[in-house]
Amino acid sequence: QKEVEQDPGPLSVPEGAIVSLNCTYSNSAFQYFMWYRQYSRKGPELLMYTYSSGNKEDGRFTAQVDKSSKYISLFIRDSQPSDSATYLCAMMTGTASKLTFGTGTRLQVTL
Amino acid sequence: DAGVIQSPRHEVTEMGQEVTLRCKLISGHNSLFWYRQTMMRGLELLIYFNNNVPIDDSGMPEDRFSAKMPNASFSTLKIQPSEPRDSAVYFCASSPFGGENFGPGTRLLVL
Repeated sequence: QKEVEQDPGPLSVPEGAIVSLNCTYSNSAFQYFMWYRQYSRKGPELLMYTYSSGNKEDGRFTAQVDKSSKYISLFIRDSQPSDSATYLCAMMTGTASKLTFGTGTRLQVTL
Repeated sequence: DAGVIQSPRHEVTEMGQEVTLRCKLISGHNSLFWYRQTMMRGLELLIYFNNNVPIDDSGMPEDRFSAKMPNASFSTLKIQPSEPRDSAVYFCASSPFGGENFGPGTRLLVL
């Protein structure tokens, strides 16, 4: 079993929809949780970075962490075609440690 | 402020040849990561350095791969001899404490 599980999709939604992207993990030592966005033929870029359980909001994006269930989510409100990309969750145990990535979910927002 | 810089951006070579990938970190970052990304396996961590010291190289596939960090701002990943199964996109990332900043990647094709 992988340490981090993520549905690869693809996920196709109409413009304006609310998108929910999720990851589950098995290592209870993970403390820091991130979401990366990767456009085609580009490197991943950091989107959201959270530490504690609960919600963190940044514009149209909300990251949610539930450590008791070992489950994290990224919500995108009012989705736009420019949000079409692969979204990768990532997590680490400490600030100087390596990231463990999910396999990524490919999102397509259609007009 | 320039981001992580990788060179070359594209490399096509023949099986058996030596390949050297280069990475320049963001100034002030003290952690350096090398990743490989393929459709089949997703994003895999190969090796990471903290303050120029290799911390974890358990992801390096075999002895054909080697990585160096001769100074705080520069790293190389060498494959010798290269094989077709090494074809992938190789990313370098740097961070000050976590939440890595990725370079644009080197797209390697070994024929």
